[in-house]
Amino acid sequence: EDQVTQSPEALRLQEGESSSLNCSYTVSGLRGLFWYRQDPGKGPEFLFTLYSAGEEKEKERLKATLTKKESFLHITAPKPEDSATYLCAVLTGGGNKLTFGTGTQLKVEL
Amino acid sequence: NAGVTQTPKFQVLKTGQSMTLQCAQDMNHEYMSWYRQDPGMGLRLIHYSVGAGITDQGEVPNGYNVSRSTTEDFPLRLLSAAPSQTSVYFCASSLEQGHGYTFGSGTRLTVV
Repeated sequence: EDQVTQSPEALRLQEGESSSLNCSYTVSGLRGLFWYRQDPGKGPEFLFTLYSAGEEKEKERLKATLTKKESFLHITAPKPEDSATYLCAVLTGGGNKLTFGTGTQLKVEL
Repeated sequence: NAGVTQTPKFQVLKTGQSMTLQCAQDMNHEYMSWYRQDPGMGLRLIHYSVGAGITDQGEVPNGYNVSRSTTEDFPLRLLSAAPSQTSVYFCASSLEQGHGYTFGSGTRLTVV
C-alpha cells in the first residue's frame, strides 16, 4: 500500500525566514510526485510535478526537489501570501490516481 | 472561464436522503476524479474516470456511484446519505496521466 507522510504538520515562519517542507513516500513504482497549494475554503492548486530522482523545479520563491525516498519543498524568503497548506501526492499505478499526504500548514508572519 | 465547476457549494442532507454532486469541466480533459477531504486524513479518492463511459473505484467508494456519459460531466451520487459522509468533496480533471489535476472549489456536505 502506498504511503505518503508530510512533515511538519504545521510550520510558522517569520517573513524572509527560509525553510523546507518534507514529503516522504513508500510506494511500489513512483510515476510522479505532485505538490499542491491549498488556501482555506478552496480546492488544491497545482504547483509542480517531479518524475525522477534528482529532478528540481522552481516557481517564484518555491523550489521542489526529489530523491528516491522523499521530496522537499524549499521556500526562500517567504512572504505572508505564501501562507497556505501544502499538499504532496504520489502517482503510482494507472488511471492517474493520486495518493495524498495530510499536508503541512504554513503560516508566514510579518 | 476554463476550469472545473462544482455545484452546489454547500449542502445539508438528512440521513437516508440521496443527492447528486455535479462536476463539469470545459478543458476537454480525459481524466476526472472525485476526492473527499476530512480533517487529519488528507484527500482520499472515491471514484475516477479515464474517459467517457469508463469509471472505476478508488480508495473509499462505498455509498457512492458515478457515471461518465460525456467528457465534460462527472456527477457523484450519494445513494443513502450517512453522517460518515459529512466531508468536503472535490472534483478534479487532468488532460493526461501524469499531468497535474485541476481541482474544483469543492462542495461542503453535512449529513445530519
